[in-house]
Amino acid sequence: GQNIDQPTEMTATEGAIVQINCTYQTSGFNGLFWYQQHAGEAPTFLSYNVLDGLEEKGRFSSFLSRSKGYSYLLLKELQMKDSASYLCVSLDSNYQLIWGAGTKLIIKP
Amino acid sequence: DGGITQSPKYLFRKEGQNVTLSCEQNLNHDAMYWYRQDPGQGLRLIYYSQIVNDFQKGDIAEGYSVSREKKESFPLTVTSAQKNPTAFYLCASSTLTGTDTQYFGPGTRLTVL
Repeated sequence: GQNIDQPTEMTATEGAIVQINCTYQTSGFNGLFWYQQHAGEAPTFLSYNVLDGLEEKGRFSSFLSRSKGYSYLLLKELQMKDSASYLCVSLDSNYQLIWGAGTKLIIKP
Repeated sequence: DGGITQSPKYLFRKEGQNVTLSCEQNLNHDAMYWYRQDPGQGLRLIYYSQIVNDFQKGDIAEGYSVSREKKESFPLTVTSAQKNPTAFYLCASSTLTGTDTQYFGPGTRLTVL
């Protein structure tokens, strides 16, 4: 079966760094997305990885290891507005998105 | 401004009534999608369409219907056959390159009383 695993909830402090991990098992693989979703709002795109390695985009970075079926999202210099759910999404061999349940990130002052 | 619109933001209906949720995009995207999101769960695909007058069932199509008469519009009808229709409904669109990002509308929160 197809499955995405990520922690349900994490807590971090404003100004700190947090890493949100994701493991995936899908039928084939055509890349991995990370989306941010604030409560009651639609998801917004953060990153897409299809090759192994780290992609940096400002305060956010995303890492992929295809051999391990593993990705992480790294958030630096955390701000209160980063409090949201972070969704790990795999693109399978049929180009269908497989959505994780999301990690709720709580930022404390 | 280009984007996807969904209306209304909140919708209330009595049990047994059909209800249609609207989704419009002016991004010139070929593909459009409907998802359902329940608390603590990931998005689940209801229907998708890659071309006008054609659409495909997703993982949870039972109790729902769609139409794609225009490229810009992809309305979703929640029928009385849907056993648990109260949820957050999200519409998205993308180009057809397969790996392209999906862009989402603001969502409609449907509550069936």
